[in-house]
Amino acid sequence: QVQLVQSGAEMKKPGSSVRVSCKASGGPFINYAISWVRQAPGQGLEWMGGIIPLFGTADYAQRFQDRVTITADKSTSTAHMELSSLQSDDTAVYFCARASEGCSGGNCYQTHFDSWGQGTLITVSS
Amino acid sequence: DIQMTQSPSSLSASVGDRVTVTCRASQGISTFLSWYQQKPGKAPKLLIYAASRLQSGVPSRFSGSGSGTHFTLTIGSLQPEDSAIYYCQQSYSFLSFGGGTKVEIK
Repeated sequence: QVQLVQSGAEMKKPGSSVRVSCKASGGPFINYAISWVRQAPGQGLEWMGGIIPLFGTADYAQRFQDRVTITADKSTSTAHMELSSLQSDDTAVYFCARASEGCSGGNCYQTHFDSWGQGTLITVSS
Repeated sequence: DIQMTQSPSSLSASVGDRVTVTCRASQGISTFLSWYQQKPGKAPKLLIYAASRLQSGVPSRFSGSGSGTHFTLTIGSLQPEDSAIYYCQQSYSFLSFGGGTKVEIK
């Protein structure tokens, strides 16, 4: 099964940006949807957006549309999520997850996600 | 956006009890519904996909049912290691999660 290893915890100032990485190994990458999900302390799971590396275009949840950029580097099997204009309520654990089924077209998110990264804690504080 | 509503938000049950968690979608999602288990400090773990299919390696006491807007997750005989938060997630239109159900052991 594929393993997803995320970059380490970071502390950021309000107004700055953060970039979290998610490297896949042990399984295919480019034709599988990668989603980013965040979890604020003591709160539930929230989908931020995703990407299918094969196609290169990302999709975003409406509430993050203006602040998040998701990219994928096929050569290194790594997905990246950059969140800008950070505020204290962006303090959360950020997870990447890979779909269990590959996709060659259509709605690549109409599947389930069986491989998850370990999570990356981003703390936003002045 | 599709809203997912779970109930109850928490429950407490004894070992061996049958436990049911409900998830409702704000619009029909066919069977594009997954259930995840999350323990403290860990990533979510996939239990059920396509509303009723058991993920490989998941104990058979877990089961799922439903289609359209109403779904249930059942734990047939609650075990101590089932203490966790359970989330439903739709994938009919991108992704969205329910608010979670915390399951505690009495």
